[in-house]
Amino acid sequence: GAGVSQTPSNKVTEKGKYVELRCDPISGHTALYWYRQSLGQGPEFLIYFQGTGAADDSGLPNDRFFAVRPEGSVSTLKIQRTERGDSAVYLCASSPGRTTGELFFGEGSRLTVL
Amino acid sequence: DAKTTQPTSMDCAEGRAANLPCNHSTISGNEYVYWYRQIHSQGPQYIIHGLKNNETNEMASLIITEDRKSSTLILPHATLRDTAVYYCIVRVQGGKLIFGQGTELSVKP
Repeated sequence: GAGVSQTPSNKVTEKGKYVELRCDPISGHTALYWYRQSLGQGPEFLIYFQGTGAADDSGLPNDRFFAVRPEGSVSTLKIQRTERGDSAVYLCASSPGRTTGELFFGEGSRLTVL
Repeated sequence: DAKTTQPTSMDCAEGRAANLPCNHSTISGNEYVYWYRQIHSQGPQYIIHGLKNNETNEMASLIITEDRKSSTLILPHATLRDTAVYYCIVRVQGGKLIFGQGTELSVKP
């Protein structure tokens, strides 16, 4: 499809497990963002990539969270030793470049940590 | 980035104009005003943005006051499908989007 694709759409895991969430941005978009959204809250910024490098990771809550974008396209958000408080919808967005504020969001990956 | 203040919720009758206000009294001269909306269970969707002048596109109009301390998003003929949470965000070019709580707009028949 032409939009941002995120997989899985739903993930249920147990406390302490490792989780990977994948984002496939719109073709040609160099900027990629990760946000997370808890129930009733607005999206919370996590990390931003320009190309392969993380240009701003100031939103990552702690060192259990890590994201990569090795070839400048697909990105993976990795969460180690999951906690119940990590339960949220993880949103990915892409844009043609850093200067534009018009981001195209995916449908999100809903993570539930039991 | 400057903070924005929006009403928590608003109602609008179907077919009428929906006017969503936003205060951004600490906005800097190089910060743009962006509006996004989020329909239930979907990712946010870009609507419109502006710096100083009023802007219009196929979705909405954006009215920014002369002092830039507030703005209004106008949906000229609201439909039931416009029911969503609307986010007003101020952003410097090249900066990240910081979402607040937004306004939950309910369009009623």
